[in-house]
Amino acid sequence: DSGVTQTPKHLITATGQRVTLRCSPRSGDLSVYWYQQSLDQGLQFLIQYYNGEERAKGNILERFSAQQFPDLHSELNLSSLELGDSALYFCASSVRSGGNEQFFGPGTRLTVL
Amino acid sequence: DQQVKQNSPSLSVQEGRISILNCDYTNSMFDYFLWYKKYPAEGPTFLISISSIKDKNEDGRFTVFLNKSAKHLSLHIVPSQPGDSAVYFCAARRVERGGTSYGKLTFGQGTILTVHP
Repeated sequence: DSGVTQTPKHLITATGQRVTLRCSPRSGDLSVYWYQQSLDQGLQFLIQYYNGEERAKGNILERFSAQQFPDLHSELNLSSLELGDSALYFCASSVRSGGNEQFFGPGTRLTVL
Repeated sequence: DQQVKQNSPSLSVQEGRISILNCDYTNSMFDYFLWYKKYPAEGPTFLISISSIKDKNEDGRFTVFLNKSAKHLSLHIVPSQPGDSAVYFCAARRVERGGTSYGKLTFGQGTILTVHP
């Protein structure tokens, strides 16, 4: 158990819908990262927050957004969902922004029908 | 543009023997490298890491070697055990302009390791 929690574990929804994925980092970790793992792409970095502020952005679609709240939990919002958004979404956390080791949650499996 | 490559999709090894997993990278700005292990239905678990100023790091049965001139790293597992069967990802972190590392990791595609009893 990494100490990073993600909810829900599974999510099934339809195209065009909007969903919110939630992540609670390890106690004491200030930085949160979101990654997407699809079948053909491997693990791709989406976005990073550090102590409530966006710190780095990867290949995140404009339909996707995230935020980190004062209690340090983070939410990833995915809207206008397409079939290709079906993937595993992982959240990771680290103590510092440039933290060397990131600890991953168990992931949320999103299926868009 | 795949900056971190694991060219072997799978590797099969006998219990007790050495497992060698390989990883190549193209970006010379990477300054820190990590190996993660992933079981089905779980998130990646950190295994071992190495800074670009070193060429070797050891932790129990796991050793990571870094050859900067060849832009190549490898993970050695000795001796291999059936419980090591998992997907192994190598990942790299890049120093951004100004010397700051933001922690964004670039992952390889993974290698499925199977250790047979």
